[in-house]
Amino acid sequence: QKEVEQNSGPLSVPEGAIASLNCTYSDRVSQSFFWYRQYSGKSPELIMSIYSNGDKEDGRFTAQLNKASQYVSLLIRDSQPSDSATYLCLAYEAAGNKLTFGGGTRVLVKP
Amino acid sequence: IAGITQAPTSQILAAGRRMTLRCTQDMRHNAMYWYRQDLGLGLRLIHYSNTAGTTGKGEVPDGYSVSRANTDDFPLTLASAVPSQTSVYFCASSDLQGAGYTFGSGTRLTVV
Repeated sequence: QKEVEQNSGPLSVPEGAIASLNCTYSDRVSQSFFWYRQYSGKSPELIMSIYSNGDKEDGRFTAQLNKASQYVSLLIRDSQPSDSATYLCLAYEAAGNKLTFGGGTRVLVKP
Repeated sequence: IAGITQAPTSQILAAGRRMTLRCTQDMRHNAMYWYRQDLGLGLRLIHYSNTAGTTGKGEVPDGYSVSRANTDDFPLTLASAVPSQTSVYFCASSDLQGAGYTFGSGTRLTVV
């Protein structure tokens, strides 16, 4: 089992809808979590970070962390065609400075 | 320079040749990393360095070597390239406080 799991997709959502992406992790000591967006042929770019249980909102993006259940999610509200990309989940464990990526979820927003 | 610079942007390399991919950052991040990304396999860690003077092996280190003589530079060397090393290579850096990665723009390498 991979340490950080994501559904590879593609997740197809109509324009204007909410895209919901999930990420589960197996290492209970992971402390910080990050969501990256990667457009085809480009490098990943950081869009959200979350460190505490609960929700964190930034514009149309909301990250949700539940450490007891070991999952982190990303919601994209009012999805736009420009949101079509692969979204990567990253878990960080401080003691070993260990950063682990999930395999990514491809999102397709259809006009 | 702002962030991380990788060079070259792309390269076609004959099998058996030696190649060094360059990576330079200006953010004074302690940790630096080399990843390769292949279709269907995601990002796989090749080598990393938590601080200048130290390096470590990642998930797929075979055929690659790195050095970290100073904070800013982290070159990746392929001693004798093989076609299976055809990939997109990303250099990344982070501070040790867990603020996530900053990525370079990548090097697309084709070994023929």
